[in-house]
Amino acid sequence: AQSVTQLDSHVSVSEGTPVLLRCNYSSSYSPSLFWYVQHPNKGLQLLLKYTSAATLVKGINGFEAEFKKSETSFHLTKPSAHMSDAAEYFCVVSEEMDSSYKLIFGSGTRLLVRP
Amino acid sequence: GAGVSQSPSNKVTEKGKDVELRCDPISGHTALYWYRQSLGQGLEFLIYFQGNSAPDKSGLPSDRFSAERTGGSVSTLTIQRTQQEDSAVYLCASSLQGFSTDTQYFGPGTRLTVL
Repeated sequence: AQSVTQLDSHVSVSEGTPVLLRCNYSSSYSPSLFWYVQHPNKGLQLLLKYTSAATLVKGINGFEAEFKKSETSFHLTKPSAHMSDAAEYFCVVSEEMDSSYKLIFGSGTRLLVRP
Repeated sequence: GAGVSQSPSNKVTEKGKDVELRCDPISGHTALYWYRQSLGQGLEFLIYFQGNSAPDKSGLPSDRFSAERTGGSVSTLTIQRTQQEDSAVYLCASSLQGFSTDTQYFGPGTRLTVL
């Protein structure tokens, strides 16, 4: 079975400073990895995804993530935080088994942006 | 274009009652998924549909939970004899074909409260 571990339940940054949200995955084969964001009382929105093409993936709103197989990591970064980035972020792996496809979610990281 | 829609947005029910939750996927998406988001369990997979068939029901927590999909489109999740532990946000997602690399698009969710 595949899994993802988000290393921080909460991250707090000042506006204008870099953001780093950490994620490690466990997979027996080359995974498809995603980052989703959930703003308060809103639905889940895809930020970016990795599907075995380029290892550096760029997403919406200036976010990017790098797939590092040697470290089994898929950390999410942004050079400069904005107040509107405050939300919960989920690292997700797609699992394929017996013709079934499902997403396995990490426990989430809540990002707080201080003015 | 129209995204995934779910109804109702909120449902309050009494313990022991049955509830039905509805999902309208993005037009043309053959794959449909139900997930549950609760404080204690995070985001967890419930069931996957490909067309009108459900190849994977492994996430349904008990036989009180059932789901169907008709016409390759609308899906209904039914919970019989609701219990307080069923209180959660129920999320529906759809994707174009159901491959592990597909993006799953999420609806806004139905918040279920069992009194």
